[in-house]
Amino acid sequence: QKEVEQNSGPLSVPEGAIASLNCTYSDRGSQSFFWYRQYSGKSPELIMFIYSNGDKEDGRFTAQLNKASQYVSLLIRDSQPSDSATYLCAVNLSGGGADGLTFGKGTHLIIQP
Amino acid sequence: KAGVTQTPRYLIKTRGQQVTLSCSPISGHRSVSWYQQTPGQGLQFLFEYFSETQRNKGNFPGRFSGRQFSNSRSEMNVSTLELGDSALYLCASSRNRDTNSPLHFGNGTRLTVT
Repeated sequence: QKEVEQNSGPLSVPEGAIASLNCTYSDRGSQSFFWYRQYSGKSPELIMFIYSNGDKEDGRFTAQLNKASQYVSLLIRDSQPSDSATYLCAVNLSGGGADGLTFGKGTHLIIQP
Repeated sequence: KAGVTQTPRYLIKTRGQQVTLSCSPISGHRSVSWYQQTPGQGLQFLFEYFSETQRNKGNFPGRFSGRQFSNSRSEMNVSTLELGDSALYLCASSRNRDTNSPLHFGNGTRLTVT
């Protein structure tokens, strides 16, 4: 049974600080990792994806992957109130996810003004 | 560039009925996946279509089915609806099935079964 675990939160972070979101996965064969953001009542929106160990940066977002520890994280620098949302971690055995992503249940992030 | 379009946005059905949901992928995207999202179970994979063929299927009963047309548009059908089928049904498309083709989700169809 493939599992993706996330702390459900809420995770409360002051505006301007770094928000750190974590995710662990059970299938050691997982090859691709995704972070989606979902606002209440909206659909998931792709933020970043990462395939290789290490860090990947895109603007204020940094994804970190450690396959040995089966751990992926998302850092949000200079957090803004508009970053308040549920963040979903998803993993896949291969490819971009067309053959079925396994999602965590999400971390609810609250950025306090 | 238009995103993934799902219709209808909302549906109310009664137990035992059947329902068909529609999805138009992003232009140029050939893979269409369907997911069910509920508060208790989160996002769960239903199935994926590519080139009009179902390539993968999640752990859902046979009441859930789908198809893809030659223009990559897809439909999902649920027969003999149960109360537990009430959920947000999300369609996602990707350009193809390789590593550099992440999924992009539509706005979803919220189905309520009474």
